[in-house]
Amino acid sequence: EPEVTQTPSHQVTQMGQEVILRCVPISNHLYFYWYRQILGQKVEFLVSFYNNEISEKSEIFDDQFSVERPDGSNFTLKIRSTKLEDSAMYFCASSPNQNTQYFGPGTRLTVL
Amino acid sequence: GEDVEQSLFLSVREGDSSVINCTYTDSSSTYLYWYKQEPGAGLQLLTYIFSNMDMKQDQRLTVLLNKKDKHLSLRIADTQTGDSAIYFCADGNQAGTALIFGKGTTLSVSS
Repeated sequence: EPEVTQTPSHQVTQMGQEVILRCVPISNHLYFYWYRQILGQKVEFLVSFYNNEISEKSEIFDDQFSVERPDGSNFTLKIRSTKLEDSAMYFCASSPNQNTQYFGPGTRLTVL
Repeated sequence: GEDVEQSLFLSVREGDSSVINCTYTDSSSTYLYWYKQEPGAGLQLLTYIFSNMDMKQDQRLTVLLNKKDKHLSLRIADTQTGDSAIYFCADGNQAGTALIFGKGTTLSVSS
């Protein structure tokens, strides 16, 4: 069964550094998403992406964040200058139709 | 804003039924969802229900939706130790793009 994959599984970075989190969505899906879960808190929506542009973003998704689909298979989340409070589990999801979202295993980001 | 609430813990014995409850605030949702998260793993889509239905059954899983009370429940029949996990209720937002999640209910199944 096709799955969403994410790399790396764990990323450790220094505050102020840029990080890129990578996702390979399910191949025939058209809608892509990023969510994050800070330890002990709810899973929060960050951004949705369709037809090579952002379709919706939350107030968390400020100018430090960007997303890109650089080729036909990858979907990336870039955090330009990481802060301590960016430490979280980041989940990528994809959907064929906006009704059902399938999640990857997550990347744990630790900012020191 | 939209919100989803669920109780944090549920403990049951193997073979019993588990019922996990959730309330939500957004009345314009089209679908409501249950996700399962096992330790160290991602969010697995378990089941979902269209908002004009009041019940959906899928093998051991039964989803009940009370739209008037904005209450969603997940019943797991004959609960097994392998069902131990965190169960998240989620609601699609008005635009149908983002999911709003509850905090998750940790289900603990003892043998």
